[in-house]
Amino acid sequence: SQQGEEDPQALSIQEGENATMNCSYKTSINNLQWYRQNSGRGLVHLILIRSNEREKHSGRLRVTLDTSKKSSSLLITASRAADTASYFCATGTNQAGTALIFGKGTTLSVSS
Amino acid sequence: GAVVSQHPSWVICKSGTSVKIECRSLDFQATTMFWYRQFPKQSLMLMATSNEGSKATYEQGVEKDKFLINHASLTLSTLTVTSAHPEDSSFYICSARRSAGASSYNEQFFGPGTRLTVL
Repeated sequence: SQQGEEDPQALSIQEGENATMNCSYKTSINNLQWYRQNSGRGLVHLILIRSNEREKHSGRLRVTLDTSKKSSSLLITASRAADTASYFCATGTNQAGTALIFGKGTTLSVSS
Repeated sequence: GAVVSQHPSWVICKSGTSVKIECRSLDFQATTMFWYRQFPKQSLMLMATSNEGSKATYEQGVEKDKFLINHASLTLSTLTVTSAHPEDSSFYICSARRSAGASSYNEQFFGPGTRLTVL
């Protein structure tokens, strides 16, 4: 099963520009996480935001969470060609034994 | 810490054969492991939840007799794709949950994935 949608599905920008990706989900959550995946590779954990947090920063990444709208956004500032990848949000609960559920993802292309 | 490995990283097999994929938590005990499948250009879809010493719980639409899951120890879960067919070709990713206390978030660590190609 999947939680919901990410938009846009695909995003193409130039190096130096900012990239914003959005994620919506359907159920109550304890946390929301963002992952990056380079083509054909495994997942790289980027950042986690808890349901009682509204914004979190990590380097060039900024994540917001609006639990009333059941949505989150990931902002990558000053993008680089190396940021080219697929980005997924995943929602989690604190119930024992429950898995992270992934959104459909956004494919980001950064051209130099 | 919190490293999860998968073996093999890729496998090619003939249609009708069975393939076993191993998922290991290398430096922690995982009472729960999860198996995901990812088709090209798509997201990860949860297939099943595997608890040590008990039967796996499969998501709707996943055939339990086709995708056999065994979680015999706290550090190892295996996924066997039985009688594989070309439509089973996919990227299979496991993850392991390390309980960090009731007040903590759902901490999952992902393996690097196994690419299965069925000819």
